[in-house]
Amino acid sequence: NAGVTQTPKFQVLKTGQSMTLQCAQDMNHEYMSWYRQDPGMGLRLIHYSVGAGITDQGEVPNGYNVSRSTTEDFPLRLLSAAPSQTSVYFCASSYSPGTSGPKNIQYFGAGTRLSVL
Amino acid sequence: GDSVTQMEGPVTLSEEAFLTINCTYTATGYPSLFWYVQYPGEGLQLLLKATKADDKGSNKGFEATYRKETTSFHLEKGSVQVSDSAVYFCALIGGGSNYKLTFGKGTLLTVNP
Repeated sequence: NAGVTQTPKFQVLKTGQSMTLQCAQDMNHEYMSWYRQDPGMGLRLIHYSVGAGITDQGEVPNGYNVSRSTTEDFPLRLLSAAPSQTSVYFCASSYSPGTSGPKNIQYFGAGTRLSVL
Repeated sequence: GDSVTQMEGPVTLSEEAFLTINCTYTATGYPSLFWYVQYPGEGLQLLLKATKADDKGSNKGFEATYRKETTSFHLEKGSVQVSDSAVYFCALIGGGSNYKLTFGKGTLLTVNP
């Protein structure tokens, strides 16, 4: 039961470095998303995807890029890391609920803790 | 836009005490409501949900009732345990979206033996 897998669990970057946070799910979910969690701010949506080849911006997209070439994977790229991107990042996925179904449960990965110095 | 307001805490209780964490919302259309829990060092897990007015979600002794007239979804538990210590998030998916979760800021609960 892998569910949603995020790697790495921890990362330290220097300002200006780039990196990719990986997210993979094995539940054949159409919807995937990235959130960042900051103290006193709750979780804020960065980017999301409703299927392979389709992505869109969330609440706080600046400084992050995403792509969705397969159903399983949804990597998050930081092109030039900044101290303001120090945070805990969560990936989540869910089924497409269809036009009459209930809102589907989103399953979360264990998170990536990122520090930018 | 959609928003969720919840008690920010922190909340500190003794074991077997009664717990209430307040949550109110504003949303377009007819939202679905959720409580997620985050145990130390872990990701978020769904605790309970409700999809229509007067629905009561329940799990692990926790309950919350979807109150459309007061736009509320308060979390309650009659007798908390040390193992309930965690951060609790109220969240919604608005009627205009099938996917996008909007979260409250979270409430840290600490239960002492």
